Amino acid sequence: GQNIDQPTEMTATEGAIVQINCTYQTSGFNGLFWYQQHAGEAPTFLSYNVLDGLEEKGRFSSFLSRSKGYSYLLLKELQMKDSASYLCAGMDSNYQLIWGAGTKLIIKP
Amino acid sequence: IAGITQAPTSQILAAGRRMTLRCTQDMRHNAMYWYRQDLGLGLRLIHYSNTAGTTGKGEVPDGYSVSRANTDDFPLTLASAVPSQTSVYFCASSPGTGGTDTQYFGPGTRLTVL
Repeated sequence: GQNIDQPTEMTATEGAIVQINCTYQTSGFNGLFWYQQHAGEAPTFLSYNVLDGLEEKGRFSSFLSRSKGYSYLLLKELQMKDSASYLCAGMDSNYQLIWGAGTKLIIKP
Repeated sequence: IAGITQAPTSQILAAGRRMTLRCTQDMRHNAMYWYRQDLGLGLRLIHYSNTAGTTGKGEVPDGYSVSRANTDDFPLTLASAVPSQTSVYFCASSPGTGGTDTQYFGPGTRLTVL
């Protein structure tokens, strides 16, 4: 079956670095997406990886290892506004997204 | 308007009633999607449309129907609502015809079926 696993909740301190992990099993693979979702709002796109390696975009970076079925989202210089849920989604062979339940990130001052 | 709009923002509905959730985008995107989001679960695809005039079933299509008469609109209908359809419903769109494009989400409709 298809499955996306990510931690339910993480806590980090303002100014620090946090890594949110995601493991995936999809029927075929057409890439891995990360979205941010603030409470009561819509998901917004953060990153897309289809090749192995690290993609850096400002304070946020995303890593993919296709051989391990593994990705992580790295957030640096954490700000209070980064408190949100982070959704990992794998795209299967039918180009449909299989979503994880999300990781709620709590930032403490 | 810019982006995707959904209506209503929230709704409380009696079981057995018919309900249509509206979704409109002004980005001229080809593909559109309906998801439901439930606590503790990932977003689940209900129906999708890769281009105007075509629709397809997602992971959880039972009890829902869609139509795509034009590029901009993609309504979702619950023919006879049941309490298990209580959820937050998100409409999304992407520029291409269902490939690896980024999906852009509307603000959501919070539906409660009693």
